[in-house]
Amino acid sequence: EVQLVESGGGLVQPGGSLRLSCAASGFTFSNYWMTWVRQAPGKGLEWVANINQDGSEKYYVDSVKGRFTISRDSAKKSLYLQMNSLRAEDTAVYYCARDYAGYLDLWGRGTLVTVSS
Amino acid sequence: SYELTQPLSVSVALGQTATITCGGNNIGGRNVHWYQQKPGQAPALVIYRDSNRPSGIPERFSGSNSGNTATLTISRAQAGDEADYSCQVWDSFVVFGGGTKLTVL
Repeated sequence: EVQLVESGGGLVQPGGSLRLSCAASGFTFSNYWMTWVRQAPGKGLEWVANINQDGSEKYYVDSVKGRFTISRDSAKKSLYLQMNSLRAEDTAVYYCARDYAGYLDLWGRGTLVTVSS
Repeated sequence: SYELTQPLSVSVALGQTATITCGGNNIGGRNVHWYQQKPGQAPALVIYRDSNRPSGIPERFSGSNSGNTATLTISRAQAGDEADYSCQVWDSFVVFGGGTKLTVL
């Protein structure tokens, strides 16, 4: 089955760190750009970061630059998001998605990150 | 950065046609994609490149794009179409509209 499954979310204090993972299956992971998108409670979708097929290109929304790092492991068919110096405004459901020529054609179910003391 | 404008909410009577707009500067010159998100679920692609439907998406869903407005049209609206709909373009990175809540009356 073609799917993406996120994990690693949870409750973290401001200033803390979390590492999200996204496991891909059912397709050739190394052929695709991959993307993280987040959705704060009651808000719209926000692109966070993306990475190209071999990990040599990485892009971030301004609000997370210097704090978040996207990476991938093709052998494990996995996408990651290392999140440091977390803030309350980072509270959101984080989705990983497959990027096909500029649109996101496959999404995971998401993992909730809550930043609170 | 490029901005996309959507109405916060749209209502449609059961069986009628819903129209959801997505405004942007000369958006007609860009590829527009649409996502459906039902409560508690992840987004799902319903239209790509203005007017193309992924497999499994009913023909009732259609899209168009011209000038400063892209449009998602849902014909013969059903209760199961109630959801948030978001448009998206590529502008050096993925850009989403704010989303429109569709209510089927």
